[in-house]
Amino acid sequence: EIVLTQSPGTLSLSPGERATLSCRASQSIGSSYLAWYQQRPGQAPRLLIYGTTSRATGIPDRFTGSGSGTEFTLTISRLEPEDFAVYYCQQYGYSSCTFGPGTKVDIK
Amino acid sequence: EVLLLQSGGGLVRRGGSLRLSCAASRFRFSIYAMSWVRQAPGKGLEWVASISDTGSNTYYADSVKGRFSISRDNSQNTVDLEMNSLRVEDTAVYYCAKVVWFSVTWDAYEIWGQGTTVAVSS
Repeated sequence: EIVLTQSPGTLSLSPGERATLSCRASQSIGSSYLAWYQQRPGQAPRLLIYGTTSRATGIPDRFTGSGSGTEFTLTISRLEPEDFAVYYCQQYGYSSCTFGPGTKVDIK
Repeated sequence: EVLLLQSGGGLVRRGGSLRLSCAASRFRFSIYAMSWVRQAPGKGLEWVASISDTGSNTYYADSVKGRFSISRDNSQNTVDLEMNSLRVEDTAVYYCAKVVWFSVTWDAYEIWGQGTTVAVSS
């Protein structure tokens, strides 16, 4: 099973700041099988990025995904108030699916 | 707007059974794989099961294999999760989810249901 590790566990930032979230895989998953989700309290997850770099429908361009192999990054260029939430990465290669433990982005 | 509407769930005793259902609308259901993902209270997301577009292939997490069964009815646009021999650790919010690309089983989840709570008591 491919294990995903996310860092940091919590990221405390102010609105307008840049957020950089990391996701590391226990083995290479190539460059096309990594997704990022946002989850606000009491809501279902929302797909932000799929295929490592592609934004889902309606996702603003302040969200950018990058990486390959075992190292992946989600960057939020300028945090808006609605961006304070928990973010999960997911891998879906090798006929399997696993999620990372999440990074909470909270207001500093 | 593409929609997944979930039903079922509730409180059940350890060893009991429950059936969750997910009704899809406003997309061509029969060409998309579907999955169930769960989230225990205060925890992260855990993939539970997936079913291919035709229903001919099913996949399960080790934690539920042999106890849960995923099925679909492409004539009714529904996907179900039958849960047997429930354990306290199965307590979670369960989500059904639609993949991004048609005819692909392992994929990101573009659309999620609203979630339904399953609580297993000891």
